[in-house]
Amino acid sequence: DGGITQSPKYLFRKEGQNVTLSCEQNLNHDAMYWYRQDPGQGLRLIYYSQIVNDFQKGDIAEGYSVSREKKESFPLTVTSAQKNPTAFYLCASSFLPTGSGSGRYEQYFGPGTRLTVT
Amino acid sequence: DAKTTQPNSMESNEEEPVHLPCNHSTISGTDYIHWYRQLPSQGPEYVIHGLTSNVNNRMASLAIAEDRKSSTLILHRATLRDAAVYYCILRDRSPRYDKIIFGKGTRLHILP
Repeated sequence: DGGITQSPKYLFRKEGQNVTLSCEQNLNHDAMYWYRQDPGQGLRLIYYSQIVNDFQKGDIAEGYSVSREKKESFPLTVTSAQKNPTAFYLCASSFLPTGSGSGRYEQYFGPGTRLTVT
Repeated sequence: DAKTTQPNSMESNEEEPVHLPCNHSTISGTDYIHWYRQLPSQGPEYVIHGLTSNVNNRMASLAIAEDRKSSTLILHRATLRDAAVYYCILRDRSPRYDKIIFGKGTRLHILP
């Protein structure tokens, strides 16, 4: 079955530790995205990547880092510099042909990872 | 970046139609209108999208105003499974940076 997976579903870390969240898709999508969601709030864009080995900062990139070494994978590292890392993290992917805008294509979301840092 | 405005919450009775409004007065000519919904503790799910004309799919219908400054998501016959937060967002169709803004959405309550 094609889809987008995130692991783990729940993650607990001590303050001051870096942690990496996994996101994998087998939909052959070009673009991948990371969002953060706090309780009762909408989604905020952290980073996105439209092509392998390239990514762009979203609205709240500080304290986070990403890599895009393979088309299928877009891991997110929450560093110790992120002041309030506890949140629900969502990964998404989308078809994005070269030279085309993203507007005509829907995003597919993973099930999310709930990160708790104490 | 163009933004959208939605009511915080709405209620509807089961098996009745639901009309969820969205205002996007600063929409540009290259923006598509997308709708997603999110169940508790899950990732958002795509519902429908359109550019200028009204759109129908198996989940819902999207009615877009002639001036494109507002749109309405229509669930024709609400069920309890439709209770979720519904997000209306704008996505650019031109090949440039893909920044998407999700607001707080509309929390839809379905009454049995």
